Amino acid sequence: AAGVIQSPRHLIKEKRETATLKCYPIPRHDTVYWYQQGPGQDPQFLISFYEKMQSDKGSIPDRFSAQQFSDYHSELNMSSLELGDSALYFCASSLGSGWGEKLFFGSGTQLSVL
Amino acid sequence: KQEVTQIPAALSVPEGENLVLNCSFTDSAIYNLQWFRQDPGKGLTSLLLIQSSQREQTSGRLNASLDKSSGRSTLYIAASQPGDSATYLCAVIGLPGGGGADGLTFGKGTHLIIQP
Repeated sequence: AAGVIQSPRHLIKEKRETATLKCYPIPRHDTVYWYQQGPGQDPQFLISFYEKMQSDKGSIPDRFSAQQFSDYHSELNMSSLELGDSALYFCASSLGSGWGEKLFFGSGTQLSVL
Repeated sequence: KQEVTQIPAALSVPEGENLVLNCSFTDSAIYNLQWFRQDPGKGLTSLLLIQSSQREQTSGRLNASLDKSSGRSTLYIAASQPGDSATYLCAVIGLPGGGGADGLTFGKGTHLIIQP
């Protein structure tokens, strides 16, 4: 069965550079979530989209932005990268608004900021 | 603000044992609770989802229970195998329109090692 696809798997950037992470949800899933997991930390909710509109916002820095496109894939744009942005970034998808629905996670993008 | 705590933080047991992982949450106004498995450097795999109106869910050797009023959930793993070695995360999602952060609130996980 198709799963959540994230690209790239690994990304190395330098401070103050920009990065774009992509997420392709499971087919027919209309809700996408972004999470950030620092080393040894639990995942922290960043932002979510339902039917191409932002639905919820968590601890996403102002330097980050995200959107969901007409084909339901989502991109997380990160600017002015800082060392502390180094983390594993997960995307998850669900069918429906997320309330009561099981979330399916991708394998994540490992971002290293040097 | 919802807080999720998992005990123990780490657990190492011989193969074949039955074991219980514990999860507690401070705000009982949850919509559902989900258990995940995470392998090192990998994504999160959903194991079981329990709706707030349910008491337990079972999948193969896994059984998860939920006591919403006391803010507790347990994940029971029967006849553990070395392949079960991973970090197990508990996460809750609050009620729509409720206070606190939206999306899943995760515990810090239990790092499980099953010795062959």
